[in-house]
Amino acid sequence: NAGVTQTPKFQVLKTGQSMTLQCAQDMNHNSMYWYRQDPGMGLRLIYYSASEGTTDKGEVPNGYNVSRLNKREFSLRLESAAPSQTSVYFCASSPQETQYFGPGTRLLVL
Amino acid sequence: KNQVEQSPQSLIILEGKNCTLQCNYTVSPFSNLRWYKQDTGRGPVSLTIMTFSENTKSNGRYTATLDADTKQSSLHITASQLSDSASYICVVSASGTYKYIFGTGTRLKVLA
Repeated sequence: NAGVTQTPKFQVLKTGQSMTLQCAQDMNHNSMYWYRQDPGMGLRLIYYSASEGTTDKGEVPNGYNVSRLNKREFSLRLESAAPSQTSVYFCASSPQETQYFGPGTRLLVL
Repeated sequence: KNQVEQSPQSLIILEGKNCTLQCNYTVSPFSNLRWYKQDTGRGPVSLTIMTFSENTKSNGRYTATLDADTKQSSLHITASQLSDSASYICVVSASGTYKYIFGTGTRLKVLA
């Protein structure tokens, strides 16, 4: 039981490049989330998925797209990376209340 | 505006000492409040979750309190250990939504 896994762990991009952050959970949770964590700020919700096939915008969705491929997987895509997207990205899943977080992806956009 | 504020921003204590971290919130309608521990380079891990009717909840050396009237919570750490060095994040959720409002955390360092 691996919990929530994220790939890659680290990534460096140039401005304008695209990439997809992968997230998978093996706990059979319906809800999944993508957050970003920046210094001096609380985690901010980018996108949320209540169940397979549904996604909703969070607090900071601009510049991102998501895909809930199936119950296990929830990916985050940056179509044209910008330096403002330099951050640590966390994926989380939850059955109802408590969220379980992945280890994070550290992204640097130059 | 829904907000969660934590204090202090950072704290240094000696191993074996106790400490208390504070969380004030203005989230409405209130659903529950959680405390998470985040080790450096890791994702947050849940310590406790408290609903409106709960005043105190313990998890080993961690004890959380909630005063729903004053909209304040605290996390008390007893007999601190080096492994308690981490950021502690207060998170409040609003009823009927998926929204979780995160505080900026208190960074705790425990020295030998």
